[in-house]
Formats: sequence, structure tokens, C-alpha cells
Amino acid sequence: NAGVTQTPKFQVLKTGQSMTLQCAQDMNHEYMSWYRQDPGMGLRLIHYSVGAGITDQGEVPNGYNVSRSTTEDFPLRLLSAAPSQTSVYFCASSLAGTGLNEQFFGPGTRLTVL
Amino acid sequence: KNEVEQSPQNLTAQEGEFITINCSYSVGISALHWLQQHPGGGIVSLFMLSSGKKKHGRLIATINIQEKHSSLHITASHPRDSAVYICAVRLMDSNYQLIWGAGTKLIIKP
Repeated sequence: NAGVTQTPKFQVLKTGQSMTLQCAQDMNHEYMSWYRQDPGMGLRLIHYSVGAGITDQGEVPNGYNVSRSTTEDFPLRLLSAAPSQTSVYFCASSLAGTGLNEQFFGPGTRLTVL
Repeated sequence: KNEVEQSPQNLTAQEGEFITINCSYSVGISALHWLQQHPGGGIVSLFMLSSGKKKHGRLIATINIQEKHSSLHITASHPRDSAVYICAVRLMDSNYQLIWGAGTKLIIKP
């Protein structure tokens, strides 16, 4: 199993550009989520999905869109990049339903918006 | 006030020392997670607790639900234990969302 994969690992954008961060998992996990990590702060939840076709907003959803057309894939779209979106982005997945589920993380995408 | 607070923020110790990292929370939880973030950035789940104590190798995690406090201990610390250790809690009324601490940066010197 590859676990949780993310692409790209690094990305530099100009303000106003759009892009999609890719996330995939091969563990048949129902729950997937996107976090951003900024210096000195805990991980903050952007969006999450409890299954194919179902998504919901987390703590900091503005400026980001997600979709979940398959169990495996959960892409994160930046609609119009802003310098405030410079961050490290992590995708995570886990089994859903019991509330006691280990989370598996992707390696992260380091995004810089100029 | 943050709902999840970790202490200390930074910790430097000598190889072999016994390490304690603390996590306090102010909300009702169903589970508490301890994770490790390597210097390269990868995040790995260490423990998931809802009560009592768990041990894995040199790592021990405890939780006191009444006091809303958890500790992560590392025995016989080694430079390879150098990492950021993160506490996260799963809210009582949610199966999905975690609230994260800011992390404790641990450096073990040889």
C-alpha cells in the first residue's frame, strides 16, 4: 500500500493563480481531510469528507474548494491564490464511524504564494 | 485561550534523559491523539487514548480524563527522538474533527 500520497511536494504560485493539490489514499478510508500548518500554530482543518460525494467545511475553508468523486481521491483547489495561503498543506485519511481512528498523513505540500 | 495547550513549547535534553511532554485541554473529548512530526515534515500517529495508559517501545502515553490532561513520556531518549510532538483531541460530539495543539519541539543532544 502506498498509504496517503500528495502531489506536488513543492509549488510556487503568483497571486491570483489557481491550482489543485492532489491527494489520494489506497486504504479504502471513508474520512479524508485537508489541513494547513503555519509556523507556531497547530494544524487547522480546511475541508473534510466523510465519504464519496460528501464534503464539509472545516475551520478555515475560505479560498479553497474540494470535491470527493471517489473514495480514493480528495483534491484541494485554490481558486485565486493569495500570499496568506502560503503554508504547508497536509492531507489525511482515516476510517470513519467509531471516533477512535488513527489518522494517516500524506508527506505534505509546501506552497508559496508570491 | 486555546482549547488544547501543550507544554513546554521547546525542550532540549541530553541523550538518555527521561522526557515528559504535557497536553491540557478544556473541552469534552472522546479521544486524544499523540503524533510525531519528523524534521522532514512527515506526520506519524503514535498513540490514540481514551483512558489510562499505553506503551510502545520507549514511548508511554497517559491520560487523566477528570483532570483533562495527558502526558507523553520518552524513556532513554535518543537523538533520533528529536521531532515535534503534537497533541490533538477528538471532540465528544464529533467522530471526525480534531482540535490540535501547537506542538512541542524536542531536541535530544548526543
